[in-house]
Amino acid sequence: GQSLEQPSEVTAVEGAIVQINCTYQTSGFYGLSWYQQHDGGAPTFLSYNALDGLEETGRFSSFLSRSDSYGYLLLQELQMKDSASYFCAQTDSWGKLQFGAGTQVVVTP
Amino acid sequence: ETGVTQTPRHLVMGMTNKKSLKCEQHLGHNAMYWYKQSAKKPLELMFVYNFKEQTENNSVPSRFSPECPNSSHLFLHLHTLQPEDSALYLCASSQGEDRGPEAFFGQGTRLTVV
Repeated sequence: GQSLEQPSEVTAVEGAIVQINCTYQTSGFYGLSWYQQHDGGAPTFLSYNALDGLEETGRFSSFLSRSDSYGYLLLQELQMKDSASYFCAQTDSWGKLQFGAGTQVVVTP
Repeated sequence: ETGVTQTPRHLVMGMTNKKSLKCEQHLGHNAMYWYKQSAKKPLELMFVYNFKEQTENNSVPSRFSPECPNSSHLFLHLHTLQPEDSALYLCASSQGEDRGPEAFFGQGTRLTVV
């Protein structure tokens, strides 16, 4: 079955805040990564959490709670260019990635 | 440009053809990966190579055959594929060995099997 669960789609207006939740299975878990993929493009790395807490990178932040097997990606001050698919990915100690199905974020004017 | 280059970008092949996908990275990474991305599905990990040694084969059909001649190059040899194998095939590399989680992806090869 699917190891990582995330919503399939989120729609929001420019300037808004969006939170994408991700739950994962604990077996082999080392850390949680987030990737962005625009249509026709390659996935690109956004953020990584190995420890509980919040990691902030500009308008994007990522959070992890190992006790809850849960994390989220927070997109602030949404811009049209943020329309893309966002994937959470579970990493093992070697950096091998297992991806969720992705969340399509649609930003409207 | 991520530093990972895949060729060709697009490929159409018949079910009886044999073709190969190529991936190249000059980032000094030790781990390379093949992923399959189908519409509305998660990226599926197919093969993992660490230091040129295959460390994982996720129950991939034998019609897909990987080759890693050195740490900078990775191939995926294709033969007698099925229409359901049509997908985006992505190559990625990372430092491996717990040296960082970031993976760098190529632009992918859009494969259509007819």
